[in-house]
Amino acid sequence: EVQLLESGGGLVQPGGSLRLSCAASGFTFSTYAMSWVRQGPGKGLEWVSTLSPRDDTTYYAHSVKGRFTISRDNSRNTLNLQMDKLRAEDTAVYYCAKAKSRGFILGGTIFDSWGPGTLVTVSS
Amino acid sequence: DIQMTQSPSTLSASVGDRVTITCRASQRISTWLAWYQQKPGKPPKLLIYKASSLETGVPSRFSGSGSGTEFTLTISSLLPDDFATYYCQEYDSSWTFGQGTKVEIK
Repeated sequence: EVQLLESGGGLVQPGGSLRLSCAASGFTFSTYAMSWVRQGPGKGLEWVSTLSPRDDTTYYAHSVKGRFTISRDNSRNTLNLQMDKLRAEDTAVYYCAKAKSRGFILGGTIFDSWGPGTLVTVSS
Repeated sequence: DIQMTQSPSTLSASVGDRVTITCRASQRISTWLAWYQQKPGKPPKLLIYKASSLETGVPSRFSGSGSGTEFTLTISSLLPDDFATYYCQEYDSSWTFGQGTKVEIK
């Protein structure tokens, strides 16, 4: 059974940094693309970032590009999101999600399994 | 960037109703379109992918159609468990979500 569990959320001041992690199990982590998606309080879903499984190609939403860095540790089955220069508008529940199929194609990769999320609050 | 627009934003319906939600893409995305269901405090659940393919385990009362720029999600006969928020998502050039449609009890 696929399991994803996010951690690392919390309260941080504007301009600060936070590192989220997602522990994965139940599948061959190294062969699947992974993503982060967030949801602000009372708001809709917003895609944040995606990481391909092999060449580690990264993709970012315009709203986080240059501030957030997605990475993976295949030896530990862990997906990470380093968040720097945080802003109030980054306040959200952050979900990690696994691609439905092995490999990666831009234009054709959808995400079928999600963790329960971790809350990040950016406030002074 | 592709913009995804869902309508309506809120839909009031009764158990047993047939419900249709529309999603429009700002440019053609072939059939690279997914639908998710989300309940409060829970992560999204994939219902439909490639515009019309039913995810494993999803009841057959859910169906999707469309291609290019116009897509629909239909629930043939609404059950109490179906009251939730529904999102479309394109995955043609990125992974942009629509703003969501809340299906509430009439």
